[in-house]
Amino acid sequence: DIQLTQSPSFLSASVGDRVTVTCRASQGISNGLAWYQQKPGRAPKLLIHTASTLQSGVPSRFSGSGYGTEFTLTINSLQPEDSATYYCQQRRDYPITFGQGTRLEIK
Amino acid sequence: EVQLVEFGGGLVRPGGSLRLSCTASGSTFSTNWMSWVRQAPGKGLEWVATINPDGSVKFYVDSVRGLWTISRDNAKNSLDLQMNNLRAEDTAVFYCASLLRGVTTFDYWGPGTLVTVSS
Repeated sequence: DIQLTQSPSFLSASVGDRVTVTCRASQGISNGLAWYQQKPGRAPKLLIHTASTLQSGVPSRFSGSGYGTEFTLTINSLQPEDSATYYCQQRRDYPITFGQGTRLEIK
Repeated sequence: EVQLVEFGGGLVRPGGSLRLSCTASGSTFSTNWMSWVRQAPGKGLEWVATINPDGSVKFYVDSVRGLWTISRDNAKNSLDLQMNNLRAEDTAVFYCASLLRGVTTFDYWGPGTLVTVSS
């Protein structure tokens, strides 16, 4: 199985900041990575797929990059509503796997 | 846009069975790959199973293969998950999700239904 490791597990930042979350895969997955945002009590929401393609309707302050084994999610100009847990997910092979999550707190 | 709603969650005893259903709105259900994803309380996301549009191809996480069955009825825009031999560690919110066309990525999710396995 392909393991995904996210860092950091917890992040605290202020409104207007730029933050970066990293996702590392245990083997190369090409560009087969997605990012989701999940708020408490809610279903996850797709932000980015294919490593860097912004899902329709997602604000442009979210961006993704990476290839192979290392990927990043960047949020520019952090907003209060960005407080959530963020997950990466690989689609290179079954079983589909997720990272353990990164909780983002807005100070 | 696809809207998904799950049904069938509840309390079940260890070793018991439960059948979850997901109803989809929209005309694209019959052409979408569909999945179930679960989340144990306070934990991360875990993919459970995926089915192709005509139901002929199915994938399962190792821990449920042979015990659980994913199925669909395209005439009813319905996706099911039959769960047998449930264990306490199966306690989770179960989400129904559609896969983005051509990409094994989950673009639409239902609100989830809670399954609690406890005596």
